[in-house]
Amino acid sequence: AQKVTQAQTEISVVEKEDVTLDCVYETRDTTYYLFWYKQPPSGELVFLIRRNSFDEQNEISGRYSWNFQKSTSSFNFTITASQVVDSAVYFCALSGSSGSARQLTFGSGTQLTVLP
Amino acid sequence: DTGVSQDPRHKITKRGQNVTFRCDPISEHNRLYWYRQTLGQGPEFLTYFQNEAQLEKSRLLSDRFSAERPKGSFSTLEIQRTEQGDSAMYLCASSVIPSGSTDTQYFGPGTRLTVL
Repeated sequence: AQKVTQAQTEISVVEKEDVTLDCVYETRDTTYYLFWYKQPPSGELVFLIRRNSFDEQNEISGRYSWNFQKSTSSFNFTITASQVVDSAVYFCALSGSSGSARQLTFGSGTQLTVLP
Repeated sequence: DTGVSQDPRHKITKRGQNVTFRCDPISEHNRLYWYRQTLGQGPEFLTYFQNEAQLEKSRLLSDRFSAERPKGSFSTLEIQRTEQGDSAMYLCASSVIPSGSTDTQYFGPGTRLTVL
C-alpha cells in the first residue's frame, strides 16, 4: 500500500519569508512518481511538479525548489520569498507506474497562509 | 487549450435522490480519473478510464456509484440514493497515456455535492 504523510497541517509566514513544506512517503514500488499540487481557495488543484524515483536531481524553478531524498523517503517543497498569492493548500502525491498504481495517493495537505 | 471542465459546480440534493455529474477532459486526453475530497483531506481515488474502458475502481466506489465514459470523451458519475456521507467535492482529472513513464493528471474545478 502507498501512503503519503504531510505532518504540517497549517503554516503561517510573513511575506518574503522562505517556507518549506514537508512530505514523507511509503511505497513498495521500485519505480514511482512524486507530485506537488496547489489548491487555492477557488478549489481547483493545480499541478506544480513531478519527479521520478530514479532521478534524485533536485530542481529550482523560479521561487520554487524541491528536495527529493530517497534515503529518507522525503520530497520537500520550498517557496523562496513567499508572496500572498502563494496562500493555498499544498498537496504531495505519489503514484506507481502500472495497473492500479497509476492512481494518485495524496497526503492530507498543508494549509499555507502568507501574511502581508 | 481549454482545461478540464465539470458540471455542475455545485449541487444540493435531498437524501435519497439520485445525482449525476459530468466531466469533460482536456481534448485528446485518453485517461480520465474521478476522485472524492472531503473537508480537510486530500483527494481519494474513485475510478479511472482509459478511453472508454473502466480499468480500476476503488473500494470507496459502492454499488450506489456508477461511472461511464461512453465514447472515450466526456464521463459521467452517478450516485444513486444519496446519503449525507456522500457530501464532498468530486474531482475529475485527465491525462495522456505516456510512453515509458507515468501520466500527469490535470484536474478540473470539481463539483461540490451537499446532501441534506
